[in-house]
Amino acid sequence: AQSVTQLGSHVSVSEGALVLLRCNYSSSVPPYLFWYVQYPNQGLQLLLKYTTGATLVKGINGFEAEFKKSETSFHLTKPSAHMSDAAEYFCAVTPRGGGGNKLTFGTGTQLKVEL
Amino acid sequence: DTGVSQDPRHKITKRGQNVTFRCDPISEHNRLYWYRQTLGQGPEFLTYFQNEAQLEKSRLLSDRFSAERPKGSFSTLEIQRTEQGDSAMYLCASSQSTSGGTYLRNEQFFGPGTRLTVL
Repeated sequence: AQSVTQLGSHVSVSEGALVLLRCNYSSSVPPYLFWYVQYPNQGLQLLLKYTTGATLVKGINGFEAEFKKSETSFHLTKPSAHMSDAAEYFCAVTPRGGGGNKLTFGTGTQLKVEL
Repeated sequence: DTGVSQDPRHKITKRGQNVTFRCDPISEHNRLYWYRQTLGQGPEFLTYFQNEAQLEKSRLLSDRFSAERPKGSFSTLEIQRTEQGDSAMYLCASSQSTSGGTYLRNEQFFGPGTRLTVL
């Protein structure tokens, strides 16, 4: 069974500082990997995904993530935080090759951006 | 707006009552998913449909829960005899699968969710 671990349920950064949100997966075969963002009382919006090819993927709003197979990680970064980035971020996986593509999510990281 | 819509956005009910939620997916999408999100947790998979067929149900989906997608378009999720533990955000997502299973075409688009509070 797959699982996703997000280290740090709350992360606080200053506006303009680097954002780093951590995600590790547990799977015998590297899955497809995703980051979603959720604003209060809203659904989930896809930030970026890794399926194949280049391991550094760029997403919306200046975010990017790097797939590292040796570390079973898919950490999310943004060079300079903006107040509008304050939200909850979820890492998710789905197995390659079937299984209905249902997503398994981590427990989320609440990002706070301070002036 | 051609996104996924859910109705109602909020539902407050008393323990023991039945509730029904509706999800309208993106029109050309043949897959529809239901997830449940409790406070402080990530969404958890409940069930999914391909067209009108319900292909998988999570063990989280007790006998009190039933989902339908009668014409392969909108879906309903009914909870009978609600319990306080059912209080959560219920999220719907849709995607367009491909015969080759290429994931890029299977990206899930989420609706805004229905927040259920059971008193």
